[in-house]
Amino acid sequence: DIQMTQSPSSVSASVGDRVTITCRASQGISNWLAWYQQKPGKAPKLLIYGVFSLQSGVPSRFSGSGSGTDFTLTISSLQPEDFATYYCQQANSFPPTFGQGTKVEVK
Amino acid sequence: QVQLQESGPGLVKPSQTLSLSCSVSGGSINSGTYYWSWVRQPAGKGLEWIGRIHSSGRSDYNPSLKSRVTMSLDTSNNQFSLNLISLTAADTALYFCTRAPIASNYGWFGPWGQGILVTVSS
Repeated sequence: DIQMTQSPSSVSASVGDRVTITCRASQGISNWLAWYQQKPGKAPKLLIYGVFSLQSGVPSRFSGSGSGTDFTLTISSLQPEDFATYYCQQANSFPPTFGQGTKVEVK
Repeated sequence: QVQLQESGPGLVKPSQTLSLSCSVSGGSINSGTYYWSWVRQPAGKGLEWIGRIHSSGRSDYNPSLKSRVTMSLDTSNNQFSLNLISLTAADTALYFCTRAPIASNYGWFGPWGQGILVTVSS
């Protein structure tokens, strides 16, 4: 299985901050990468797919970048509703696998 | 807008079989455009993909669970189901149903059901 490693495991930030989360794949996954947001007790929500593409309805403050094995999710100006856990996921190889999550907490 | 809703028992005894269903509204599971998947999440932990099924009948399962998992479609009720046998405490988790476009290779998933908490305990 492809291992997806996110860093950091948690980040403390304030409203208005720029937040960057990194995801590294154990082997190349081309552009087959997605990002999800999950709030406590809720289902994950697809934010970004294909590294860059914003899912419909997702605010433009979210953006994705990267290629090959190294990818980044950026929140340009953190909003109160963005405090959550974020997961990356590879769709390149079977089985699809997720990172361990990055929790964005209030500073 | 497609919505998914899981149903099934919240408590199952060790060694028994878990049977969950996912009802789909706002779209047909027969469309052929999507794979229908199950994903689970133990409390406080990450996400694990269990498997997927397509309207053609094709199914794929995570090798870590393959010997214990079966998925099926109920097109008349627009539902799909998960059976997981020989349960242990390690199967205690929040179980989600979701879908992924077939064009997304092994899938990016959305929307998701709200999830159903399954506890394996005697």
